[in-house]
Amino acid sequence: DAGITQSPRHKVTETGTPVTLRCHQTENHRYMYWYRQDPGHGLRLIHYSYGVKDTDKGEVSDGYSVSRSKTEDFLLTLESATSSQTSVYFCAISRDRESGELFFGEGSRLTVL
Amino acid sequence: QKEVEQDPGPLSVPEGAIVSLNCTYSNSAFQYFMWYRQYSRKGPELLMYTYSSGNKEDGRFTAQVDKSSKYISLFIRDSQPSDSATYLCALTAGGYNKLIFGAGTRLAVHP
Repeated sequence: DAGITQSPRHKVTETGTPVTLRCHQTENHRYMYWYRQDPGHGLRLIHYSYGVKDTDKGEVSDGYSVSRSKTEDFLLTLESATSSQTSVYFCAISRDRESGELFFGEGSRLTVL
Repeated sequence: QKEVEQDPGPLSVPEGAIVSLNCTYSNSAFQYFMWYRQYSRKGPELLMYTYSSGNKEDGRFTAQVDKSSKYISLFIRDSQPSDSATYLCALTAGGYNKLIFGAGTRLAVHP
């Protein structure tokens, strides 16, 4: 299994509170991604990173920010959580930019009350 | 209209059946086509990858791409209970692996 650890795995929080999800990899892959998965929508890209301090927006980036200060860590922050951000969040990594092969973490289940 | 359409199922088949899973898409710029498998409460894992039109076979699995019809398929032969999972198609036009996923089809193979 690819060495990807997501934390926390489960979190319940209240509307308006900040939340940070962490993705840690031990594969030294350059590319990292945050996706959210919701029923009926599949996986949707939030943000991605193509190197340390290099990040860009995905399809559903509103309300989310990211940071990558080290190759191995990619943080996803919800500055002020809303109920619409209740979802399962997946981190993924890739060794290249075009193979289509992403290795996913186990997911972080976030509930915003 | 979504960029990628996939019937969510669920699809229930007996062990040994041939399974056909499909996606349609609207963006002709897509060039890379993938199938991911996701077991319950796990992250997706890459099952098949094809570039452009044609067929690709790997054991019991065959991926088929018809770019003229904007239609991709995954066939599973001799299906097993261990194949019970959600299957997601994923497409990209290239660059940074920004995959667009279908909603996923839930498959149940019963003994």
